[in-house]
Order: sequence, then structure tokens, then C-alpha cells
Amino acid sequence: DQQVKQNSPSLSVQEGRISILNCDYTNSMFDYFLWYKKYPAEGPTFLISISSIKDKNEDGRFTVFLNKSAKHLSLHIVPSQPGDSAVYFCAARHDNNAGNMLTFGGGTRLMVKP
Amino acid sequence: ETGVTQSPTHLIKTRGQQVTLRCSSQSGHNTVSWYQQALGQGPQFIFQYYREEENGRGNFPPRFSGLQFPNYSSELNVNALELDDSALYLCASSLINSNQPQHFGDGTRLSIL
Repeated sequence: DQQVKQNSPSLSVQEGRISILNCDYTNSMFDYFLWYKKYPAEGPTFLISISSIKDKNEDGRFTVFLNKSAKHLSLHIVPSQPGDSAVYFCAARHDNNAGNMLTFGGGTRLMVKP
Repeated sequence: ETGVTQSPTHLIKTRGQQVTLRCSSQSGHNTVSWYQQALGQGPQFIFQYYREEENGRGNFPPRFSGLQFPNYSSELNVNALELDDSALYLCASSLINSNQPQHFGDGTRLSIL
């Protein structure tokens, strides 16, 4: 049972345009969501997060939107840059006895073309 | 600030062998979580350690075990290795009960022949 899904395995965008990465979840107990970026041969790097009590969080070129009723979140990158090319993982967390374990989606590979 | 470091970076083992992977947590962090990332998939939670005890476990068999030391560093041990154990093993550290994100190391690539 995959509780966090990223249905697009890859996305190609022109430099300067907007990149939109999507993520769906099924567990209504998730209360905190994160996006991580991963370059080859490196570990995931935290990008941006959002609490379930908010519907939007913005940090520079990156904005995350949360639609709780649809159990859907998205990451917007604008403008996209070639250095943004990486695999992006959506992750979710809920307070339980397992501390702050993260449940990850399968990732979306973003390619930004110059 | 020292980040999360993992060793070794690569490892090749054969079926049935045992392996130990190591992780040093980021300074100021007191929990360590281990994840397995198979090729083409997202990381899967194995377990978390806090105060030198297991503080939550994912859907992994008992042959996956761990340790945390007083300096918050950690080991992941896998016994009776199987071909499906081939994966990238990621360690992440964080502060317990904090909304601060987990910080990941670069992982150990384990290949089982």
C-alpha cells in the first residue's frame, strides 16, 4: 500500500518556465509534508515543507501548495533553472510512536533544458 | 556544523553474508533514522534510534538491526543478506519532537552478488 504517490516519473521543462511537481497521499493522519531534492551520488537535500494547517508555503523560487480535501500537494518552481535538474521526492510525516519517520513517494525526475 | 556522514560509500557482499553500515549524525541532533532506497524507488523507512533504543520500525524483517551510541552515531546491521537487499542505504539525523527536517547523508551503496 503506497501511501504517498508521485505519478509522474519524469518532467521536462524549459529554462525560465514554471515546473510543477505533484504528489498525492492516502493517509489522512499525515500532518506535515516535505519536499527533498536529490542529485546523483548525493543524499536527499531538504527543500521546503508545509504543515497541514496551512495551504501554501513559499521560499524564494519554491512554493508548496497543500489541498487537504483532495489529499494532494504540489511544488512549484519558478523560474526553473538548469541547476534544478534533479530527482524530487515528496515525503509525509505524522506524529506517532515511530517518532518523525518519513513516508516517501517514488520521486519525479525534473530536467530543465537551457 | 558537521553534516551527516556515512561509511563506507560502496560495498559488495555475497548472499548469506552479514554487513555493518555506519553513520555519524549531524551535530546537535539526537535521533538517527535509516532508510533503504531501491533503484527507481523512494526511500523506505527501516527504523529510528533515539536514546540508544529503537524508536519506531518500518516493515523490515528482524535480520535488519541497529545500534545507537552515546555520541548519537549509529550502525545498521543486516544478517543473511539476500539479493533484494541491494540498494542505497541512507541515514538521516534530526532532533526528536522537532519540526526541523531530517538531514540525510550521501548513503552507502550495497550490492549483493
